[in-house]
Amino acid sequence: KAGVTQTPRYLIKTRGQQVTLSCSPISGHRSVSWYQQTPGQGLQFLFEYFSETQRNKGNFPGRFSGRQFSNSRSEMNVSTLELGDSALYLCASRANSGLQTEAFFGQGTRLTVV
Amino acid sequence: AQSVTQLDSHVSVSEGTPVLLRCNYSSSYSPSLFWYVQHPNKGLQLLLKYTSAATLVKGINGFEAEFKKSETSFHLTKPSAHMSDAAEYFCVVSKMNRDDKIIFGKGTRLHILP
Repeated sequence: KAGVTQTPRYLIKTRGQQVTLSCSPISGHRSVSWYQQTPGQGLQFLFEYFSETQRNKGNFPGRFSGRQFSNSRSEMNVSTLELGDSALYLCASRANSGLQTEAFFGQGTRLTVV
Repeated sequence: AQSVTQLDSHVSVSEGTPVLLRCNYSSSYSPSLFWYVQHPNKGLQLLLKYTSAATLVKGINGFEAEFKKSETSFHLTKPSAHMSDAAEYFCVVSKMNRDDKIIFGKGTRLHILP
């Protein structure tokens, strides 16, 4: 069974631009959640999608948005990029909804904003 | 409100000696608790989880953790460290509610000395 796939693995963007990251969950998993990892703030939860609906949301500004498609693949979008958005963005899939269940993580997309 | 504190940012042990990574949590509700491991340039992998069943939880690679409600702790242990255990470890608390939340500890980097 293939694991969680995140694309691209690395990305360099300029301040003010927008970016879209993609995550394909494990086959059969319907929940996808996104996390931001930085040296200063550690790992922080962004949001969770289940069956194309946002179920939970962390404390991030509206510049961070996401969506989930009918095949459970998810995209995360960040608009008007700031230098502080440089981070490793991790995606995780779960078989069922609910952050209390086991998550399977992808390798992440490393975003650098210059 | 929930929080999780990993008491040590770095721990160094010699190969073959015991490992202890400390985690304290606070939660208004009965939490689910997890330990994840992250090897360099990799996503997170679940080591073990506690979800109100047995208080002593056994995980992969010889790791285990004990849930102690009176001490609000969920320390991770392993009897004998291996070089391959060198990684960053995250203690995670989550609760099931209409408003699911998931909080990651800041991480403990484990160094294994030959």
